[in-house]
Amino acid sequence: DAKTTQPTSMDCAEGRAANLPCNHSTISGNEYVYWYRQIHSQGPQYIIHGLKNNETNEMASLIITEDRKSSTLILPHATLRDTAVYYCIVRVANSGTYKYIFGTGTRLKVLA
Amino acid sequence: DTAVSQTPKYLVTQMGNDKSIKCEQNLGHDTMYWYKQDSKKFLKIMFSYNNKELIINETVPNRFSPKSPDKAHLNLHINSLELGDSAVYFCASGLREQYFGPGTRLTVT
Repeated sequence: DAKTTQPTSMDCAEGRAANLPCNHSTISGNEYVYWYRQIHSQGPQYIIHGLKNNETNEMASLIITEDRKSSTLILPHATLRDTAVYYCIVRVANSGTYKYIFGTGTRLKVLA
Repeated sequence: DTAVSQTPKYLVTQMGNDKSIKCEQNLGHDTMYWYKQDSKKFLKIMFSYNNKELIINETVPNRFSPKSPDKAHLNLHINSLELGDSAVYFCASGLREQYFGPGTRLTVT
């Protein structure tokens, strides 16, 4: 019952911007979009999140469409260490807490 | 100074055995979680605890029993292990932003 769909894999040249798309057409008005990445088999690592405005931090930018049905994670200058599986997640409220609904992830390979 | 730690990192056991995985966080969070990542790398929440109280139970077989002795610890006990329980189990903590542990790879033979 994933709420997001992502391409299975993508390649990106080192030093170029990596643009990772995500569709979340059934997202509700109060549900946030989160992005995490998983390097090898380590624990997922937080990247960024947003509700409806575009967001930027030291790792990445998040562009959310006006209708909120899709978003794009941008790594502005990809490095070899950015090779990982990137998960687009919808965070839903549940019984006073929050639940992450993970997508299937995009395997990003940064090429030298 | 690890934020979320899990032990053991690897666990190999036979079908029918009972095993436990321990999780500890030093971030002061009230909320902790257990996730299961299957062989296809799909991550799914199993349980969520808030202040030692079970909040989310995602239709996990009752062979899985989480236990939270205090806010900083959430352990996962699994009875009568089955082949299908083989997976990587991640503990996490936090509310608006979740911090994940390094995972425990469970192999049931």
